[in-house]
Amino acid sequence: EPEVTQTPSHQVTQMGQEVILRCVPISNHLYFYWYRQILGQKVEFLVSFYNNEISEKSEIFDDQFSVERPDGSNFTLKIRSTKLEDSAMYFCASSGPGGAQAFFGQGTRLTVV
Amino acid sequence: AQSVTQPDIHITVSEGASLELRCNYSYGATPYLFWYVQSPGQGLQLLLKYFSGDTLVQGIKGFEAEFKRSQSSFNLRKPSVHWSDAAEYLCGVGATNAGNMLTFGGGTRLMVKP
Repeated sequence: EPEVTQTPSHQVTQMGQEVILRCVPISNHLYFYWYRQILGQKVEFLVSFYNNEISEKSEIFDDQFSVERPDGSNFTLKIRSTKLEDSAMYFCASSGPGGAQAFFGQGTRLTVV
Repeated sequence: AQSVTQPDIHITVSEGASLELRCNYSYGATPYLFWYVQSPGQGLQLLLKYFSGDTLVQGIKGFEAEFKRSQSSFNLRKPSVHWSDAAEYLCGVGATNAGNMLTFGGGTRLMVKP
């Protein structure tokens, strides 16, 4: 069964450093998303991406965040200058042409120290 | 703005007992509704979804959910719980257009007693 793959599973970074979280969505999917879950809190939407541009973003997705689809298979989330409060589980998701049902990856746990 | 409330943070049931997890949503139009399960350290696995049609939907692992528009609810049920069902259950609501964001509730952690 096709699945969304995220790497790495866990990343530790120092405050102020840039991180790139990587995702390989399901191959025929057209819509891509990032969500995050701070420990003990809700899963929160960050951004959706379609046709090589951001289609929707939340208030959380400020200028320190960016997304890119550098080639036909990868979808990345970059955090330019990490803060302690960026520590969270980051989930990538994708959905097909119909769009509504999102398939989630296993997540990347980001720890900022 | 859309929102989801899962009133029960923790629920403990005995193995073999029935289960109902509550979910209430707020949304201005007909929503898309989802239940996901999240096991420790794992991603979100879709249990079932409601888009339209029959308000009682069947999902994987023996779960079902009923959409009640009058109550703005989408409660998840299972007639007989197994120990392997212990996990976090997330209810989500989304708009009907493609590529939309999902809004999740706070989750209900299910524990199963032997």
